[in-house]
Amino acid sequence: SQQGEEDPQALSIQEGENATMNCSYKTSINNLQWYRQNSGRGLVHLILIRSNEREKHSGRLRVTLDTSKKSSSLLITASRAADTASYFCATDANDYKLSFGAGTTVTVRA
Amino acid sequence: AAGVIQSPRHLIKEKRETATLKCYPIPRHDTVYWYQQGPGQDPQFLISFYEKMQSDKGSIPDRFSAQQFSDYHSELNMSSLELGDSALYFCASSSGTADLLYGYTFGSGTRLTVV
Repeated sequence: SQQGEEDPQALSIQEGENATMNCSYKTSINNLQWYRQNSGRGLVHLILIRSNEREKHSGRLRVTLDTSKKSSSLLITASRAADTASYFCATDANDYKLSFGAGTTVTVRA
Repeated sequence: AAGVIQSPRHLIKEKRETATLKCYPIPRHDTVYWYQQGPGQDPQFLISFYEKMQSDKGSIPDRFSAQQFSDYHSELNMSSLELGDSALYFCASSSGTADLLYGYTFGSGTRLTVV
């Protein structure tokens, strides 16, 4: 079964708007990571948040982690057309293998 | 900076044939992970190697085998290919506790099409 479940499955927004996607997981984790994937391309690591962290920022990205609810959110502010991609959360349960969620497909309209 | 290199980028094979995918990790990375991503699916962990020894195993079919060589590159061997094996195969590499800070670096993947 999937460790991470993401919602929404798809998101369509206007350029300049914010995009928020959520991820829920089932077991204890060491850290949670967010990856971006352009259609049919490789996975690009965006940001990692450790289990003892609650919020992290990187450029236009903001990630939160609530270990009591086993959930995380990724916020992309001031979105651009180039942000169009699929975004995956992945959990690392201290066994050095990632369990990916189903992903959120984000379309940013110019 | 050097990244994770995978070859080939694309591969077309017929059913029941054999395929070999290669992964060259970032220099000084000692751990390699293989993932399979079917069409419209999330990546699924297959197998990992640390210092040339298998360190973990996921949902990898018995028809698949993999190894890590002395130069730390890894090869995924897939035999008796089935149509359902068509997918993107990703390799990632890492080194020790750097994982906690930087996440994993993935290669661009090999797209395998079984016809």
